[in-house]
Amino acid sequence: KQEVTQIPAALSVPEGENLVLNCSFTDSAIYNLQWFRQDPGKGLTSLLLIQSSQREQTSGRLNASLDKSSGRSTLYIAASQPGDSATYLCAVRRTAGNKLTFGGGTRVLVKP
Amino acid sequence: DTEVTQTPKHLVMGMTNKKSLKCEQHMGHRAMYWYKQKAKKPPELMFVYSYEKLSINESVPSRFSPECPNSSLLNLHLHALQPEDSALYLCASSQPREGRDTQYFGPGTRLTVL
Repeated sequence: KQEVTQIPAALSVPEGENLVLNCSFTDSAIYNLQWFRQDPGKGLTSLLLIQSSQREQTSGRLNASLDKSSGRSTLYIAASQPGDSATYLCAVRRTAGNKLTFGGGTRVLVKP
Repeated sequence: DTEVTQTPKHLVMGMTNKKSLKCEQHMGHRAMYWYKQKAKKPPELMFVYSYEKLSINESVPSRFSPECPNSSLLNLHLHALQPEDSALYLCASSQPREGRDTQYFGPGTRLTVL
């Protein structure tokens, strides 16, 4: 059974500092990995999707890496801003089926 | 347009009521999902419809009944719910593509069962 873990559960940084969010998974037979952002009481916004054959994806200030062999993905957010404050979730899709397995999320607070 | 809409935004119901949640997308996606999310927890998958057919039911109690009338619409019928069913219910959709099927989520329906 796939298990996805995100550490730390919460993170507070001053504005301008780079953010590093970690995601680990137990079964390396994944189809893809997706990073989401969720604001309180809202739905999820997809940030980046990394296919199993890729090592990284970039979008603006966001960069996500994937190391399947070690079961890890890292989301980097450069030059953080107060508007980046949210919960960030990673989710892994296994090779067969449409099911996403989510990590517990990291709550990020960027202080002005 | 990458929008998934959900109605209503909020719903309060008693344990004897029957209500329905609605989800709609016009992106041409052929997979649609229902998730349940409790406070400070990640979303938990409930159901998946693929090409309008139920493909995954994560052992959800029968008081939750999904329906996919067409490729753009997904309903969740609720009956005889329990207070512990109070949660944020999220709908999502995706287009099956080789390794690149990003799931797009709606804003959710906040359900309170009294």
